[in-house]
Amino acid sequence: GAGVSQSPSNKVTEKGKDVELRCDPISGHTALYWYRQSLGQGLEFLIYFQGNSAPDKSGLPSDRFSAERTGGSVSTLTIQRTQQEDSAVYLCASSSRGGQVTPSGANVLTFGAGSRLTVL
Amino acid sequence: GQQLNQSPQSMFIQEGEDVSMNCTSSSIFNTWLWYKQDPGEGPVLLIALYKAGELTSNGRLTAQFGITRKDSFLNISASIPSDVGIYFCAGQLFSNTGKLIFGQGTTLQVKP
Repeated sequence: GAGVSQSPSNKVTEKGKDVELRCDPISGHTALYWYRQSLGQGLEFLIYFQGNSAPDKSGLPSDRFSAERTGGSVSTLTIQRTQQEDSAVYLCASSSRGGQVTPSGANVLTFGAGSRLTVL
Repeated sequence: GQQLNQSPQSMFIQEGEDVSMNCTSSSIFNTWLWYKQDPGEGPVLLIALYKAGELTSNGRLTAQFGITRKDSFLNISASIPSDVGIYFCAGQLFSNTGKLIFGQGTTLQVKP
């Protein structure tokens, strides 16, 4: 698609339930990133995909968090047994190839609008 | 892990005034970027800086990559109401992942 699409845009869930958040990157973008933005905070890196593999998952805060990517395209972030501290906006970004941003503009991260998760 | 300290946390200014915000880090970054986030949207890239000492402009925006590679500033001249939003600095380490480390953000409000 023309941009990065994320769904749902808003999700309210009860503590202890599982949630799935979806990211549809820009067509042809091989690199995909998940970030978390808590209220009043900056963006916290969660995981990086290159194709379908995740060479960097160092930001996942606990084993309740997992993500997968299929067909080198759509990615799903799953949070199991949600806690109130999981409430945040989850942002997805994609780029053409991963690696360094270059003066030509290659590998600029383009973000989606995010999925706002509220855990009651 | 790496952290970026961004200041000020928020600013409330009059339309037409100039604005300055900055980021510092304990780590050296290969690239510095500045993003803007409007309410309900994802961050959008404003300026990218690639070399230590580089000064780059984009319209009313000017940003510099510090000589030590550990800091950057963003200036906005003659602010207008649509400048309202959250501004984030982001550093990119030399790696194959391309992931960005973000500052905490500067919330800008402009009074017409």
